[in-house]
Amino acid sequence: DAGITQSPRHKVTETGTPVTLRCHQTENHRYMYWYRQDPGHGLRLIHYSYGVKDTDKGEVSDGYSVSRSKTEDFLLTLESATSSQTSVYFCAISKRGSSYEQYFGPGTRLTVT
Amino acid sequence: KNEVEQSPQNLTAQEGEFITINCSYSVGISALHWLQQHPGGGIVSLFMLSSGKKKHGRLIATINIQEKHSSLHITASHPRDSAVYICAVTSNFGNEKLTFGTGTRLTIIP
Repeated sequence: DAGITQSPRHKVTETGTPVTLRCHQTENHRYMYWYRQDPGHGLRLIHYSYGVKDTDKGEVSDGYSVSRSKTEDFLLTLESATSSQTSVYFCAISKRGSSYEQYFGPGTRLTVT
Repeated sequence: KNEVEQSPQNLTAQEGEFITINCSYSVGISALHWLQQHPGGGIVSLFMLSSGKKKHGRLIATINIQEKHSSLHITASHPRDSAVYICAVTSNFGNEKLTFGTGTRLTIIP
């Protein structure tokens, strides 16, 4: 199994509070991704990174920011959480990009009340 | 219309049956992925293919680029195959966006 961890695994927070989710990899893969999974929508890309300090937006990036200061860590921040951001968040990594195999983390279940 | 459509949405079968899950897409792609998600949430990559056919154990994935269609087959199905199977495509526009289908929930009854 690829070495990917996510923290926290579960979080309940209140509307308007900032939240940061962490993805950590031990594989030294260049590409890292944040997805959210919601019933009826499947997985959707929030942001991705193609190297340290190199990030780009996905299809549902509004309300989210990311940072990657080290190869192994990719942080997802909700600056002011809203109930619509209640979801399961998955991190994924890939050695060479989305045309190559992706390895997924265990997911973080976030509830915004 | 979604860019990636899967059928059926739900499938229940008896142990031992041959299973087929279909995926159709509407964009030009550089790669198609099949993923498996068990209850409890973990997502595992089963196959990544851009042409032809791949086999791993009892699982076979095929793709027809001209018809924009892929199938995932499971031979001699087993209750442990019960999971959600997700198709995803990488477009050939050069960005990193993976577009996912909404999944097929497979239940294998002993």
